[in-house]
Amino acid sequence: GESVGLHLPTLSVQEGDNSIINCAYSNSASDYFIWYKQESGKGPQFIIDIRSNMDKRQGQRVTVLLNKTVKHLSLQIAATQPGDSAVYFCAENNGNEKLTFGTGTRLTIIP
Amino acid sequence: EPEVTQTPSHQVTQMGQEVILRCVPISNHLYFYWYRQILGQKVEFLVSFYNNEISEKSEIFDDQFSVERPDGSNFTLKIRSTKLEDSAMYFCASIAGRTEAFFGQGTRLTVV
Repeated sequence: GESVGLHLPTLSVQEGDNSIINCAYSNSASDYFIWYKQESGKGPQFIIDIRSNMDKRQGQRVTVLLNKTVKHLSLQIAATQPGDSAVYFCAENNGNEKLTFGTGTRLTIIP
Repeated sequence: EPEVTQTPSHQVTQMGQEVILRCVPISNHLYFYWYRQILGQKVEFLVSFYNNEISEKSEIFDDQFSVERPDGSNFTLKIRSTKLEDSAMYFCASIAGRTEAFFGQGTRLTVV
């Protein structure tokens, strides 16, 4: 079946340090992946995406890595700030225009 | 910056009553979605809508749910007879194509 899961439900990181949030997916047909950030009481906010023909993509302070061999996705946030505290979801799309979300990881930045 | 807007932000309703949640997607987008998030849980797919019809729906989206795009701009989710377990955040989203989905701020539905 189609599922997207996360290795860790919570993660605490010291402000200024780098954080890595991991995600495993099971649908090998998925070819488009997105990381979303969700702050309390708000809707998911797009962070970065990656297509299956790439293994790395960088944005501002964020990097997404895709390992199709082991069906693993990660989000790296550099030099974390208090505003990075949120729940982070990975989501996958396998061509049917539907996004399937993972469970979510709560990232807490410790001042 | 274009955004998806949802109304109301919070809806309280009695069990068994009908509710309509409203969304205005981004104007040039083609695909529209409703998702649900029960407190503290993941975002769950309910239904996708394309070319004025449902393209896919989940097991959650039973006969009590329906969607409409009545006037070419609004996109609504109706729950005919609400149950306690329908209490959740409901998010509308839209996409232009094979790109990221843009989400609204959500409607918190509380069924009492």
